[in-house]
Formats: sequence, structure tokens, C-alpha cells
Amino acid sequence: QKEVEQDPGPLSVPEGAIVSLNCTYSNSAFQYFMWYRQYSRKGPELLMYTYSSGNKEDGRFTAQVDKSSKYISLFIRDSQPSDSATYLCASLNYGGSQGNLIFGKGTKLSVKP
Amino acid sequence: EAGVAQSPRYKIIEKRQSVAFWCNPISGHATLYWYQQILGQGPKLLIQFQNNGVVDDSQLPKDRFSAERLKGVDSTLKIQPAKLEDSAVYLCASSPTGGWTDTQYFGPGTRLTVL
Repeated sequence: QKEVEQDPGPLSVPEGAIVSLNCTYSNSAFQYFMWYRQYSRKGPELLMYTYSSGNKEDGRFTAQVDKSSKYISLFIRDSQPSDSATYLCASLNYGGSQGNLIFGKGTKLSVKP
Repeated sequence: EAGVAQSPRYKIIEKRQSVAFWCNPISGHATLYWYQQILGQGPKLLIQFQNNGVVDDSQLPKDRFSAERLKGVDSTLKIQPAKLEDSAVYLCASSPTGGWTDTQYFGPGTRLTVL
């Protein structure tokens, strides 16, 4: 079993829709959770991060971690065509090196005008 | 602030040939990472440098892959000889310290096709 599982999609939604992207993880030691956005032919860029459980909001984006169910979510409100990209979740245990970051496979999102 | 630079952006080679990739990290970043991203997969760490020393190379196929970071700045990743399964995007990233709450900044990647 891979440590971070993510449905690769693709996911296609109309502009303005609420998007829900999800991952599950298996390692209980993971404490640091990140979402990266990767546009086509580009490297990933950090979108949001959260520590332990709870929610974190940044504009139209909300990251949520439920440690009891080992579930990571990213919600995008009022989705825009510019949000079309692959979204990668990633997890890291407390005190670990950034090099120990475990990525999911990524979910490809397409927002149609 | 300039981002992470990589070259070449694309490379096509035949199997058993050799190839090298170059990375210039963000100025002042102590930690440099090389990742392999196969189509439809997330990035997988190949090697992590702290300044000019290797921190982790446990997933680097050392029979064919090598990497160096001379003077703790630029880095090169080499594959010799290449196999078909090495077709992937090779991403370079850098971060200020490598600590667990650091942010990694990725370059655009080098897309390698092995025929």
C-alpha cells in the first residue's frame, strides 16, 4: 500500500463550481500536509500547507486534515479556468527532512469556461 | 528573485546512451533535491544535497545514475547508460535549509524520452 493515495481523475467541472480534491494516507506519523499545484510543463508549486488536524483557508482555497480518518482535502470555491492544473497532495512526518516528503499521484483538474 | 533554473528542457536519446541534466538553485538555498516524475505519478526523490554533501540518495539507482553538487551551488544529474524506463521528467528543487517546515521551490523540469 502506498503511503499517500490520490485519485488521478481527471476531474472536469464548470467555471464557478466548488471543487473537492482528496487524498488518504497510511502513516500515522505524518504531521505536515501540503498541496502542490502543477501546471502543464511546469514544476510543482506549493499552494497550501497545514500542520496536524484542522482547516486552513487562503482566499478561494481551503485545506482540511482529518487525522482520525487519515483524510486530506482541498476545496476550491468559485473555480476558475486558471485553476486547471494537476493538484498533488504530500505528507511528511514530524521533524523529518523535506526530502522525506511523500507525494500522491496527483489529480488532474479541468475547469471549463 | 530568480527561480530554479534547469537545462535542457527536453532531451531525446536512445537507450544505452548517456545524458546529463543541469540545475541552478535559488541563490542562498542550502538544500537541493533531484526528483523523478514518471507520467501520471507524483515526484519521487532521487537525491538530496545539503550544501555540497549528500543527505539522502537511498532511491538513486547508483549503477546508472550519479549526481554532484560542486561548491554547494549548481548540480548535475547524469544517467549512464539510459534505459527505456528512465523516460520521465527530472525535477530539481531547492529550499533554504531542508528542515521539515521548509518550502521547496521547483524548477520547470527536464523531460527525458529514451527510445
